[in-house]
Amino acid sequence: AQSVTQLDSQVPVFEEAPVELRCNYSSSVSVYLFWYVQYPNQGLQLLLKYLSGSTLVKGINGFEAEFNKSQTSFHLRKPSVHISDTAEYFCAVSKRGAQKLVFGQGTRLTINP
Amino acid sequence: KAGVTQTPRYLIKTRGQQVTLSCSPISGHRSVSWYQQTPGQGLQFLFEYFSETQRNKGNFPGRFSGRQFSNSRSEMNVSTLELGDSALYLCASSAGTGTVQETQYFGPGTRLLVL
Repeated sequence: AQSVTQLDSQVPVFEEAPVELRCNYSSSVSVYLFWYVQYPNQGLQLLLKYLSGSTLVKGINGFEAEFNKSQTSFHLRKPSVHISDTAEYFCAVSKRGAQKLVFGQGTRLTINP
Repeated sequence: KAGVTQTPRYLIKTRGQQVTLSCSPISGHRSVSWYQQTPGQGLQFLFEYFSETQRNKGNFPGRFSGRQFSNSRSEMNVSTLELGDSALYLCASSAGTGTVQETQYFGPGTRLLVL
């Protein structure tokens, strides 16, 4: 079975500061990794995904994530955040060949002006 | 292209009642998955349907059921509602070719409140 741990439930940062949201996963088989964002009263939107190849993945809205197999991590980063990035961010894994996503508990990103 | 639509957006029911939620996937998508989101348990997978067949199922009691129609629209039903069923129910659609390289697109969800 797969599991995901998001190490921070809330992350407050100042506008234009860099941010890192941490995600660790556990799986006995190869997995795909995802980051989703959820804005208030909305569904989930895919930010980026790691399937294979380069361990640095670039996504939408200036976000990127790095897959580290030895540390079983997939941390999300953005060099300079904006007020509009205020949202909840979810890390997820999926076993290869399956549609089922296993999500972490989420990290609430709050941007202070 | 229209996104995933879910109806209704909000629903209030009382314990013991049953409820049916609807999801219309993106045109051309054949796979529909359902997730439950609660503050305590987070996002949990309910089930996935592909070509009118349940292809995968999460760890939920039999009170939770679903189906998919020939036009790929899906419904989920919860019978004998309990207070703990209060949640945001999210539907996601994908092309359904069976590989996870394809992106799942989520709808806005149906917020169910059980009193």
